[in-house]
Amino acid sequence: DAGVTQSPTHLIKTRGQQVTLRCSPKSGHDTVSWYQQALGQEPQFIFQYYEEEERQRGNFPDRFSGHQFPNYSSELNVNALLLGDSALYLCASSFGHLSTDTQYFGPGTRLTVL
Amino acid sequence: QQQVKQSPQSLIVQKGGISIINCAYENTAFDYFPWYQQFPGKGPALLIAIRPDVSEKKEGRFTISFNKSAKQFSLHIMDSQPGDSATYFCAASPYNFNKFYFGSGTKLNVKP
Repeated sequence: DAGVTQSPTHLIKTRGQQVTLRCSPKSGHDTVSWYQQALGQEPQFIFQYYEEEERQRGNFPDRFSGHQFPNYSSELNVNALLLGDSALYLCASSFGHLSTDTQYFGPGTRLTVL
Repeated sequence: QQQVKQSPQSLIVQKGGISIINCAYENTAFDYFPWYQQFPGKGPALLIAIRPDVSEKKEGRFTISFNKSAKQFSLHIMDSQPGDSATYFCAASPYNFNKFYFGSGTKLNVKP
């Protein structure tokens, strides 16, 4: 059983560009959450999707947007990239959206903004 | 403002020793407290988790102690091994949604 997968593994962009990151949840999972982890820092919650809608959102600007597809996979889009957007972007999936529904994290996408 | 405060920032323990990492929170809406282990270049992996109605939970060499009145919880790693060298994050979430607030992390180094 494949766990959470993310693509691409690494990505280099320049300031002002737009980027799309992708996540496939663990089999049977219906909820996807996205986190941003700057180097040496803790993960910060960006938003969560289930039933194809954004249900929870952290303190991130509207430049960060997402989407969930009927097969529960998800995309994270970031517009007008800033140098400070350089980070490891983590996707986590769970079956259900309650606190006790275990989140499984993917390996992340390393985004570098030059 | 950090919702979950974690200490120490780094920890060096001899092989076979006990590693202890502490966390504290203020938000009484939090009711689920997991600990994650993260190796360099990898995503966090769930180690063990606890609810406030339990004061202690043990899984193998890992134990969570929870003090609801003090709003503190800690991770104890018994018989620490070099393979345990990683960054450990505590986290907390309110019941209605698994939106986790992470502590700042503890980098554990277990010396052979």
